[in-house]
Amino acid sequence: EAEVAQSPRYKITEKSQAVAFWCDPISGHATLYWYRQILGQGPELLVQFQDESVVDDSQLPKDRFSAERLKGVDSTLKIQPAELGDSAMYLCASSLEGGQLYQETQYFGPGTRLLVL
Amino acid sequence: AQSVSQHNHHVILSEAASLELGCNYSYGGTVNLFWYVQYPGQHLQLLLKYFSGDPLVKGIKGFEAEFIKSKFSFNLRKPSVQWSDTAEYFCAVKTGRRALTFGSGTRLQVQP
Repeated sequence: EAEVAQSPRYKITEKSQAVAFWCDPISGHATLYWYRQILGQGPELLVQFQDESVVDDSQLPKDRFSAERLKGVDSTLKIQPAELGDSAMYLCASSLEGGQLYQETQYFGPGTRLLVL
Repeated sequence: AQSVSQHNHHVILSEAASLELGCNYSYGGTVNLFWYVQYPGQHLQLLLKYFSGDPLVKGIKGFEAEFIKSKFSFNLRKPSVQWSDTAEYFCAVKTGRRALTFGSGTRLQVQP
């Protein structure tokens, strides 16, 4: 069964450093999402792509976070500089949704757990 | 903007007990509704989903949920839980092509 891949699985960094997370969605999935999940809460959307275009980044702290999906396949989420409050699980999800397809299920990767010291 | 409320934060049950987890959403238009589960050490997996049609939806592992539009609710049920159902359960709503909006989750602990 195809899965969403994410790396690294764990990342420890010091505040003010730069970190980057990578996501490879299920092959053929047009839509890719990055969510952040703080301990004890549900995931919250950071950014949504359809192919290589950003659909929604209204909740992305753009002063320090950036995301790209250059060829419409895999994606990178970057934080620079990291702050203590960025400690969380960063989840990537993908779905077939796009074009004439909608109401498609989102499939989640294992996540990257970030700890900022 | 839509929001989702899960009122039970932590539920402890004995094996064979019945389960009902509450989920309420706020949005006046058409919604798609989901329950996801996260087993310890694993990633989020879809339990069941409602898009349209029969409001009683059956999912994997014996779970079901009922969409009650008048109550803006989508409660999850299972007649008899097992120790292996110990996990965190998330209700989520989706409108149009927007991303999912999740509730804060319910941690279920099933005691053998």
